[in-house]
Amino acid sequence: AQTVTQSQPEMSVQEAETVTLSCTYDTSENNYYLFWYKQPPSRQMILVIRQEAYKQQNATENRFSVNFQKAAKSFSLKISDSQLGDTAMYFCAFMRGNAGNMLTFGGGTRLMVKP
Amino acid sequence: DAGVIQSPRHEVTEMGQEVTLRCKPISGHDYLFWYRQTMMRGLELLIYFNNNVPIDDSGMPEDRFSAKMPNASFSTLKIQPSEPRDSAVYFCASSSTPGRPTHSNQNEQFFGPGTRLTVL
Repeated sequence: AQTVTQSQPEMSVQEAETVTLSCTYDTSENNYYLFWYKQPPSRQMILVIRQEAYKQQNATENRFSVNFQKAAKSFSLKISDSQLGDTAMYFCAFMRGNAGNMLTFGGGTRLMVKP
Repeated sequence: DAGVIQSPRHEVTEMGQEVTLRCKPISGHDYLFWYRQTMMRGLELLIYFNNNVPIDDSGMPEDRFSAKMPNASFSTLKIQPSEPRDSAVYFCASSSTPGRPTHSNQNEQFFGPGTRLTVL
């Protein structure tokens, strides 16, 4: 079974600064996908960024980027130029390839962006 | 597309009552997932369907929970009888089969807004 661990229950950052959220996972699979989801107070789950395990290049989406270290099974999220609207819960998630699209979530990190 | 639609958005009921949560996936998606979110256990997969067929229900907590998908555009999650410990936010999500060359968001699960269930 896969496990996903987010070791930072809460974090805070000043507006316009950079913050990194940590995520580690455990799997014996070689084909898989990793995701970061954002859940604002509205509780809607919003996909922030995704990474295919077979790709060596780290994914980037505007101010969001990841540091994917496959050997270390680490998948951290970096948010640059933090904005007040980034305040939310962030969940790291794992999906096995070719196995029905099931997601396994980490426990989440609550991020507070301070003005 | 309107996205994944869930109803009701909020449900308050008394212990012992039957509760039915509803979900309409995104048109064309062939996977449907039911998740439960609680403070204690986080986000847990309860069950998922592929082409309307239940594939894995190992996350369903007990026999009081049942889920159906009578057609490609509708699914229900039923709790009977409900208990206070069932209080949670229940999410429905849908996705499409990996490998479809025309789909730009392979593997991405699209979530509904969730149903907040409170059992008194």
